[in-house]
Amino acid sequence: EVQLLESGGGLVQPGGSLRLSCAASGFIFSTYVITWVRQAPGKGLEWVSSISGSGTSTLYADSVKGRFTISRDISKNTLYLQMNSLRAEDTAVYYCVKDRRLSLSSPDTFDYWGQGTLVTVSS
Amino acid sequence: DIQMTQSPSSLSASVGDRVSITCRASQSISSYLNWYQQKPGKAPKLLIYGASSLQSGVPSRFSGSGSETHFTLTISNLQPEDFANYYCQQSYNTPITFGQGTRLEIK
Repeated sequence: EVQLLESGGGLVQPGGSLRLSCAASGFIFSTYVITWVRQAPGKGLEWVSSISGSGTSTLYADSVKGRFTISRDISKNTLYLQMNSLRAEDTAVYYCVKDRRLSLSSPDTFDYWGQGTLVTVSS
Repeated sequence: DIQMTQSPSSLSASVGDRVSITCRASQSISSYLNWYQQKPGKAPKLLIYGASSLQSGVPSRFSGSGSETHFTLTISNLQPEDFANYYCQQSYNTPITFGQGTRLEIK
């Protein structure tokens, strides 16, 4: 059974940093693109960042480029999102999502989602 | 960036009804269109991929159609568990973009 379990969310002040983790199981972690999607309170879904199975290809939304870094540790089956210079508009539930198709290098269709972790940026 | 526009933004219907939600892309995306269902406090769930392919385990009352810039999600014989928010998403290129969502409410 595919499982994605996010952690690391919490309350942080504007300008602060936070690192999210996503522990994956039930599939071959190194062969799927994994993506972070966020949802601000009461709002819609926003793609944030994706990483290829090998970790060599990364993509970012313009809204987070230069502030967020996505990475993965294949030996630990874990995905990370390092978030720096956080702003109030980064407040959201962050979901870790798995791509449906094998061996892609860019995001496509999201077939499994974690339960999400809430990040609140406020003073 | 490709803009995805859903209509209506909200919709009221009764159990047993047939409803349709439309998603329009700002440019042609071929059939690179997916649909998700999200219930309050829960993560989204994939319903339809590639515009018309039903995800495994999703009831056959859900169907998708369309291509290029105009897509439709149809739910036949609405069930109580279908009242939720629905989002379309294009996977034609990055940045990946979602529609703003459609809220399906019980009449």
